[in-house]
Amino acid sequence: SQQGEEDPQALSIQEGENATMNCSYKTSINNLQWYRQNSGRGLVHLILIRSNEREKHSGRLRVTLDTSKKSSSLLITASRAADTASYFCATAVKAAGNKLTFGGGTRVLVKP
Amino acid sequence: DSGVTQTPKHLITATGQRVTLRCSPRSGDLSVYWYQQSLDQGLQFLIQYYNGEERAKGNILERFSAQQFPDLHSELNLSSLELGDSALYFCASSVPLAGGPNTGELFFGEGSRLTVL
Repeated sequence: SQQGEEDPQALSIQEGENATMNCSYKTSINNLQWYRQNSGRGLVHLILIRSNEREKHSGRLRVTLDTSKKSSSLLITASRAADTASYFCATAVKAAGNKLTFGGGTRVLVKP
Repeated sequence: DSGVTQTPKHLITATGQRVTLRCSPRSGDLSVYWYQQSLDQGLQFLIQYYNGEERAKGNILERFSAQQFPDLHSELNLSSLELGDSALYFCASSVPLAGGPNTGELFFGEGSRLTVL
């Protein structure tokens, strides 16, 4: 199974609502990153949180990291139709030379 | 625009054939990563190069090989192609975090979509 696994696999919400997705991982990490991918396009980096950080904000995005539970969450507040995309967490694993391993992603649909 | 350029964007070929995918990283980035994205396997790390040298290897098949040239562009060679090799192949580049070629933010190209018939 993958190092990072997102939950839920898919999420459908109305514009203006918040979207929350979670990522769990198995081994000790150097950092955890969230990426966004519009259908068939390249991934775009959203936010990086280091293992010694607990929370980070970027615009309407809020990321938390709980290393004791080996989990992270991404919150998108006041969602917009343009937020419709797949969101991936990726972990830089210390034991694997910090190569970045991606989870399976959460598909988010924001309905106008 | 991430600054990472991948060619070709689309490629259709037959089983048994060989193809080369090319990647130009962002100016100044020393690390290049190759990923394969398919519907059933998700986004799989293939291989990483740092300043011309192989740095990390993932789930790369023996039929696949890659290299990074002195000008830092990279090529991924896929040979003896099978139907299951059909996928999006992404290249990404990064500036290493302080202290070594550790993984910071990756900048992805738009991918090369390979269809094997």
